[in-house]
Amino acid sequence: SQQGEEDPQALSIQEGENATMNCSYKTSINNLQWYRQNSGRGLVHLILIRSNEREKHSGRLRVTLDTSKKSSSLLITASRAADTASYFCATVYQRSNYQLIWGAGTKLIIKP
Amino acid sequence: DAGITQSPRHKVTETGTPVTLRCHQTENHRYMYWYRQDPGHGLRLIHYSYGVKDTDKGEVSDGYSVSRSKTEDFLLTLESATSSQTSVYFCAISVAASVTDTQYFGPGTRLTVL
Repeated sequence: SQQGEEDPQALSIQEGENATMNCSYKTSINNLQWYRQNSGRGLVHLILIRSNEREKHSGRLRVTLDTSKKSSSLLITASRAADTASYFCATVYQRSNYQLIWGAGTKLIIKP
Repeated sequence: DAGITQSPRHKVTETGTPVTLRCHQTENHRYMYWYRQDPGHGLRLIHYSYGVKDTDKGEVSDGYSVSRSKTEDFLLTLESATSSQTSVYFCAISVAASVTDTQYFGPGTRLTVL
């Protein structure tokens, strides 16, 4: 079964707007990672946030982690057409033998 | 760029035939992974390796076997392909010493089993 579930499944916004995607998980984690996948390509790592961290930034990306709610969010500010992609969260937790468990992803479309 | 290549990139085969997919890395990273990606499922781990000749099963290992005789190569074999194994297969590596850290992915192999 999936550990992480992204919400929404699909999101369409205008260029320049902010995009927020959420990830919920079921059990205590070691860390949570966000990846991007452009159509037909491999996945690219965006941000890793550890269980003792609450927020991390990377350029226009901001990731938060709320372990009490077992959830994380990815915020992309000032979106661009090049941000059009699928975004996945992946969690690492002890019961998974420390392997990454993936959600089904959020498909983000940025309209020009 | 972690220097990961996959071959072939596309393959069409028939049910019952054996298929081998190759993942090659140009650096001596310890951890390597094989995933499959299907619509609505995200990525699912098939097998992984933590060193030469050291491999273990993932979530969806039935029907698949792997081998790692050299650090740089991780092979995935479908002994007798079935239509349910039609998927996109991704190889990944962990660059850091810890298996829990960031993974880097190859470009993928699209496999169609008729």
